[in-house]
Amino acid sequence: KAGVTQTPRYLIKTRGQQVTLSCSPISGHRSVSWYQQTPGQGLQFLFEYFSETQRNKGNFPGRFSGRQFSNSRSEMNVSTLELGDSALYLCASSPEPGLAGTDTQYFGPGTRLTVL
Amino acid sequence: GENVEQHPSTLSVQEGDSAVIKCTYSDSASNYFPWYKQELGKRPQLIIDIRSNVGEKKDQRIAVTLNKTAKHFSLHITETQPEDSAVYFCAASSGGSYIPTFGRGTSLIVHP
Repeated sequence: KAGVTQTPRYLIKTRGQQVTLSCSPISGHRSVSWYQQTPGQGLQFLFEYFSETQRNKGNFPGRFSGRQFSNSRSEMNVSTLELGDSALYLCASSPEPGLAGTDTQYFGPGTRLTVL
Repeated sequence: GENVEQHPSTLSVQEGDSAVIKCTYSDSASNYFPWYKQELGKRPQLIIDIRSNVGEKKDQRIAVTLNKTAKHFSLHITETQPEDSAVYFCAASSGGSYIPTFGRGTSLIVHP
């Protein structure tokens, strides 16, 4: 099976702009989670989508939003970009979180966002 | 919510030595503990995981131990090689949200 893919891989934006990142999970995986990775803060959970519904949400401002489509592909959007939003954004997919043996997350390569 | 502490933040060893990374968690309902390896510029990759009904699991040079009473788990790498150099993340999944909480990572440097 093909792994988790993310587009674009690199993005440069300026403060105040908005950005949309895309994630395609492994075929058959229904859950997609998003993480922000920065050198100082490690992997911070943003939100998780399952069957087009946001099931879990991390502690991020409302500028960060997402959605999931019927084919399980997911997008995340960041509006009114700030310098501090510069980070690697990772998505991860899993078949069925909460079900032993099918809850392992597999990560995509990430999108490196730089905000100038 | 769950809180995962990981130590040390940096670990430097000589090739052939063993390396141990330790994590503690706060939620006694957590029942799944994966470990990820992230090489520079690459995605985190699952290297081993353990569930709460098992005390130890081994895969070649890598082993993980879990102490549910003390709420800590450890990654052991024996006979380290330069290609083991990477950042290692531990995580714990709480039974409630199923979303893993990650430790802050350990940068392992293996000197040839």
